[in-house]
Amino acid sequence: AQTVTQSQPEMSVQEAETVTLSCTYDTSESDYYLFWYKQPPSRQMILVIRQEAYKQQNATENRFSVNFQKAAKSFSLKISDSQLGDAAMYFCAKASGTYKYIFGTGTRLKVLA
Amino acid sequence: SQTIHQWPATLVQPVGSPLSLECTVEGTSNPNLYWYRQAAGRGLQLLFYSVGIGQISSEVPQNLSASRPQDRQFILSSKKLLLSDSGFYLCAWSKGQEAFFGQGTRLTVV
Repeated sequence: AQTVTQSQPEMSVQEAETVTLSCTYDTSESDYYLFWYKQPPSRQMILVIRQEAYKQQNATENRFSVNFQKAAKSFSLKISDSQLGDAAMYFCAKASGTYKYIFGTGTRLKVLA
Repeated sequence: SQTIHQWPATLVQPVGSPLSLECTVEGTSNPNLYWYRQAAGRGLQLLFYSVGIGQISSEVPQNLSASRPQDRQFILSSKKLLLSDSGFYLCAWSKGQEAFFGQGTRLTVV
C-alpha cells in the first residue's frame, strides 16, 4: 500500500524565522503529484504548494518552498519569514493516476510571537 | 468558478440511527469525488472515491457506504451508526492536479 509519512507531530517556530516540515512517501510509480495542504482551526483544507514528480525544479510559492528529492522519496516544506497566520496543521499528500489522494498524519505548526 | 458544497456542517446522531451526508460540486463536469474522515488529532483517511456516476471504490471496510447518483453529487451513508463513526468528514473533488475540499461535517454519535 502506498503511504505518506510525516514524522513530526508538532513543530514550533519563532515569528520571522524559518521552519522545515518533513514528509516521505512510498510509491512504485514514476509519475505523480505531491502537495502540502494547510488546515487552520476553521478546518478548511487549503492548498499551499504543489510539485509534479517529473519536474526537477523545486516548487516555490512566495514564502513557501519545497525540497523534492525523488530518489529519496522525500518532500519537505520550508516556510520562510514565519507569520502568526501560518499556525495550522500541515498535511503532505500524494496523488497519482489511480486518482487517490493519500495524506500523511499531519504536523501541527505553532508560531511563537 | 468551481465550488463544492457539503452539508450539514454539524450533526449529532444517536447510535443505531441512519446517516446521510451530501456533497455537490458546481462549475465542473465529471469530477473525481472523494470522502475522507479525520479523527481527532489524526490525518485524513480516504474512505471512498468515485471516478464516475455509479462507480464507487471503497478503501477501508467499515460501517459506511457511498453513492454517486448524479455526476456532481456524492453521498455518504450508513444504515446504523456506531460510536466509532464519530469524526470530521470531508468531501473533495479533483480533476487531476489538485483536490478541492468542502467545509466538512463534524459528526458526533452519542
